[in-house]
Amino acid sequence: GAGVSQSPSNKVTEKGKDVELRCDPISGHTALYWYRQSLGQGLEFLIYFQGNSAPDKSGLPSDRFSAERTGGSVSTLTIQRTQQEDSAVYLCASSLGGGLANEQFFGPGTRLTVL
Amino acid sequence: GESVGLHLPTLSVQEGDNSIINCAYSNSASDYFIWYKQESGKGPQFIIDIRSNMDKRQGQRVTVLLNKTVKHLSLQIAATQPGDSAVYFCAERRGSNYKLTFGKGTLLTVNP
Repeated sequence: GAGVSQSPSNKVTEKGKDVELRCDPISGHTALYWYRQSLGQGLEFLIYFQGNSAPDKSGLPSDRFSAERTGGSVSTLTIQRTQQEDSAVYLCASSLGGGLANEQFFGPGTRLTVL
Repeated sequence: GESVGLHLPTLSVQEGDNSIINCAYSNSASDYFIWYKQESGKGPQFIIDIRSNMDKRQGQRVTVLLNKTVKHLSLQIAATQPGDSAVYFCAERRGSNYKLTFGKGTLLTVNP
């Protein structure tokens, strides 16, 4: 596709359930990023992938959050035992590389609502 | 802690006026700054960037100004149009660090 795509666009789940959020980066982009955006807030960095490896997981808020990337392309963000405070928009971005001037292109996000 | 913040959460302007959106940063080591535009229901979209060795950079209808002395960044939009209505975020990076640190955003509303 032409841009970063994410699915689902909306996800409503019950507290305690697990969810998986998917990101399809732009073809050829080696770097992939996950961010979280709470209502009325800026973006909070979660994790960064270079290829299939994640050199920086420092932004993951708890061990309930995990992410993987396979084949240097698609990435999945998993939230286990969801809590209401996990409700937010989860944004994925990709860039050609991880260097300073590599523009990050964002997907439309997945809006997660935990009831 | 280190942060990138915004002076005003909302800005309302008349169509055709110029808009100025401000941002302050606290880390003098920041050397790359970006402005993003986020429309409702969409992801942030790159507008313009500037490196710390520059004071000013111009794009189409947009200008970014960087004042390193007071750690201040601004985005100027000329002849603001209704399509410019969105939330604008500044973000910064430090050295080779890929991680973007975002401010909270300013909601720009353009009145016809």
